[in-house]
This record gives sequence, structure tokens and C-alpha cells, in this order.
Amino acid sequence: GAVVSQHPSRVICKSGTSVKIECRSLDFQATTMFWYRQFPKQSLMLMATSNEGSKATYEQGVEKDKFLINHASLTLSTLTVTSAHPEDSSFYICSARGPTSGRTDTQYFGPGTRLTVL
Amino acid sequence: GNSVTQMEGPVTLSEEAFLTINCTYTATGYPSLFWYVQYPGEGLQLLLKATKADDKGSNKGFEATYRKETTSFHLEKGSVQVSDSAVYFCALSGAQGAQKLVFGQGTRLTINP
Repeated sequence: GAVVSQHPSRVICKSGTSVKIECRSLDFQATTMFWYRQFPKQSLMLMATSNEGSKATYEQGVEKDKFLINHASLTLSTLTVTSAHPEDSSFYICSARGPTSGRTDTQYFGPGTRLTVL
Repeated sequence: GNSVTQMEGPVTLSEEAFLTINCTYTATGYPSLFWYVQYPGEGLQLLLKATKADDKGSNKGFEATYRKETTSFHLEKGSVQVSDSAVYFCALSGAQGAQKLVFGQGTRLTINP
């Protein structure tokens, strides 16, 4: 159980275009989803936290107008990179967590999306 | 704030060797502790976790014990295999009610046959 999928797995786009990445929890309801960015050979950097039906909370330094996050249902969150530039090229990973119960706080991660902006 | 420090890699071992990857943390209260593994080109997979002091998480031959007195959560495996080659991340989640995972920098492990 606890499977999270991402689509697409890889995307190449031209500078100035927008790219949408989907994150789905396949077998559980994800009340909270997280979006991370990972640079080569580095750790994950949390970009934002989204709760279903409410606005995402962005980490300091992350541009909310550039990285649009929508969490419209309990199984789907989307990250849209608007007006992408080469410096946005990265590995984007989402994670999902179900309703907390006591100290149950495990996040389950998607396989990641490799974005390359030309 | 909360932080996680892992031993620097890369770590290279021969098959069947004993593995230890050190992880220490700084946190207020009683965090939950995790080890995640990332295979090449893939996202993170939860390897094991522990939610309170002296708990031992285990999975696939890997173990880690939540040591509050030393603020550590070292990952161990008695006999590694080539298929264990991956990047390992230690992480913590703050006390109950806090949601964010804080990751260590990751340790790249390579096992040679």
C-alpha cells in the first residue's frame, strides 16, 4: 500500500513555457502533499506544503507565483512551473501523507519528475 | 531549528561487509526518525522508521535504533549486497503536529561484488 505516482517522469521544454507535474496518491487519501526539489547529488529541499482544499504554504525563498501548487482533491496535487528557465531544471519529487493519527506521520514519495528546460 | 547530520560519503564496501551510516540530529521535543533510500533515477522509498526513544526500526536486513541520549539514529546492516547500492537519507519529523521532514545531506553507498 501507500503508493504515490508522478506524471510525467521526464519532461523537456523550451524556455518561457509552463510545465505541469501531477502527483497522485493511488491507494490512500492524502490530506497533505509536499513538493521537493533535488539538485544533482544533493539532498531534498522542501518547496511547499499543500493541504487539500486550501492554499499551499511555501518555504522561504520559493516563488509562489512561479511554482503554482493546486491540491484540489484528496488524491491529486499539481505543481506548475510557470515561464520555465534553464535554472529551473531539476528533479521534482512529491510526497503524500494521510490523515495523522497520533504520531503516524510517514510521508510516501513519488518517483520524481526530471525537468529539463532548454 | 531541527537539523540532521549524516556521515559524508561516498561509502564503498565489498559485498557481505558490515555497514554503518551515522546519523545524528538536533530537535526540540521528541521527533520521529526515518531512513529513506533512493535508487538511481528514482524517488525516495521509506526504508525504516522509529517514533520514540529506544525504538528499533528494521527492514530488509537494515536496522536503526532511536537513541535519545546520543541523539543518533545510525543505520546498520550486517552483510550488504550489490543491490543495496543507493543513496541513503536520514530524516526527522518534528514533534506531533509538525509535518515537515528535515533531511540529512544523503550518503551515497556503492557495494562492489
